[in-house]
Amino acid sequence: DGGITQSPKYLFRKEGQNVTLSCEQNLNHDAMYWYRQDPGQGLRLIYYSQIVNDFQKGDIAEGYSVSREKKESFPLTVTSAQKNPTAFYLCASSFRTGGTTDTQYFGPGTRLTVL
Amino acid sequence: QKEVEQDPGPLSVPEGAIVSLNCTYSNSAFQYFMWYRQYSRKGPELLMYTYSSGNKEDGRFTAQVDKSSKYISLFIRDSQPSDSATYLCAMISTSGTYKYIFGTGTRLKVLA
Repeated sequence: DGGITQSPKYLFRKEGQNVTLSCEQNLNHDAMYWYRQDPGQGLRLIYYSQIVNDFQKGDIAEGYSVSREKKESFPLTVTSAQKNPTAFYLCASSFRTGGTTDTQYFGPGTRLTVL
Repeated sequence: QKEVEQDPGPLSVPEGAIVSLNCTYSNSAFQYFMWYRQYSRKGPELLMYTYSSGNKEDGRFTAQVDKSSKYISLFIRDSQPSDSATYLCAMISTSGTYKYIFGTGTRLKVLA
C-alpha cells in the first residue's frame, strides 16, 4: 500500500525538551511538507522540501527544524524555542510538476501535547 | 484580505439533504482546485480536484468551479451522517510565485 505514515500518533513532551516527529512516504513524491493545525486557524506551513538535501521555511518556521536526507523521509524537530508547540502536526507530500499532479496527500497526523 | 475565504460553519443539515460548501478566492492565478475531507483528529483526505471551470462529478460529490466569479463549490447529494467532517478547499497557482493555499475549512454536521 502506498501512502504517508507519521509516528507517533500521540506525543507528550515536557517543557524545555526537543522532540522529533517522523514522516515517511512511499509514493515516490519529490516534495514533502509539514503543517501545523490549530483549532479555527486552518493549516499553517512550517517547512517544505522539494528535493533531497534542500528545504525552505514556510510561514511559521521559528522553533522548528527539519532534515531531508532521503527522498522518503522528512522528520520535523520541535525545539524548546517553540513557544506554543501543543498542536496537531500534519505531514504531506506531492509531485512538483506544475499541474494537478502537485496535489498534496496527507499523513494521519501527530498530536503533540506539552505538559 | 485572505487569498481564500471559507465559511467556518458549523453547517448542520438533516440526513438526505443536499449540501453546498463554498470558497471564494481573490487571485486569478489560481488554476487548480481541490477539496479535502478531514475527520476529527485525522489527516485531510483528498476528495476531488479539478482544473477548468465547470462541473466534475464523483458519486454523490460534485465540484464546481466558476473562474469568472472566483468561486468554487462542493455539492454533496443524499448527505449521510458519515459525511460529518470538516471540508477544506485548496488551490494551486503555478504562474509567477508558486502557491498552494488552503481554506480554513467548513465544519459539516449531518443529523440522523
